[in-house]
Amino acid sequence: AQSVTQLGSHVSVSEGALVLLRCNYSSSVPPYLFWYVQYPNQGLQLLLKYTSAATLVKGINGFEAEFKKSETSFHLTKPSAHMSDAAEYFCAVISPNTGNQFYFGTGTSLTVIP
Amino acid sequence: NAGVTQTPKFRVLKTGQSMTLLCAQDMNHEYMYWYRQDPGMGLRLIHYSVGEGTTAKGEVPDGYNVSRLKKQNFLLGLESAAPSQTSVYFCASRPGLHNEQFFGPGTRLTVL
Repeated sequence: AQSVTQLGSHVSVSEGALVLLRCNYSSSVPPYLFWYVQYPNQGLQLLLKYTSAATLVKGINGFEAEFKKSETSFHLTKPSAHMSDAAEYFCAVISPNTGNQFYFGTGTSLTVIP
Repeated sequence: NAGVTQTPKFRVLKTGQSMTLLCAQDMNHEYMYWYRQDPGMGLRLIHYSVGEGTTAKGEVPDGYNVSRLKKQNFLLGLESAAPSQTSVYFCASRPGLHNEQFFGPGTRLTVL
């Protein structure tokens, strides 16, 4: 079975500061991992995905995430926060060969302080 | 390409009424999903489909039914709405097992 834990339901950073959103997964097999972003009153958009190629994955809008098997983590980072990054962020996991279902974390709301 | 569309965008129901939410995708995707999103609970899977004519239960299927008669459409039905079904409903689709999901814009449903 797969599951995802997102530590911190709310994160606040100053504009220009480092963004770090945490995601830890539980999976019995090497998983595929995803980060999605949700802006207010919109659907989810894919930020980036890990599908067993490079462990450092670059996404849209300057975000990246690193897959660390030893730590079972897939934390999302961005070197310098922008006001437009304020949104809800979701981490998701799926078993690549048998997984019909995505398992989502409960989300982290990012606030960017000017 | 319109991607994934959902109809309607907003709906208010009274307890006991029924309704159907329509999800349509024009990307020829095999897999389709219905989620509900509630504050602090993330996305919870209601039902999903791995191909035309197939459906399966997700994490929270009670009170909902689905149908996938055509590959491009996935319908979510509420036979007798309850206030606990007040939520934002999202549809998603994906091409196959090794791909990400593509989401629709959501339907905000209020049951009074």
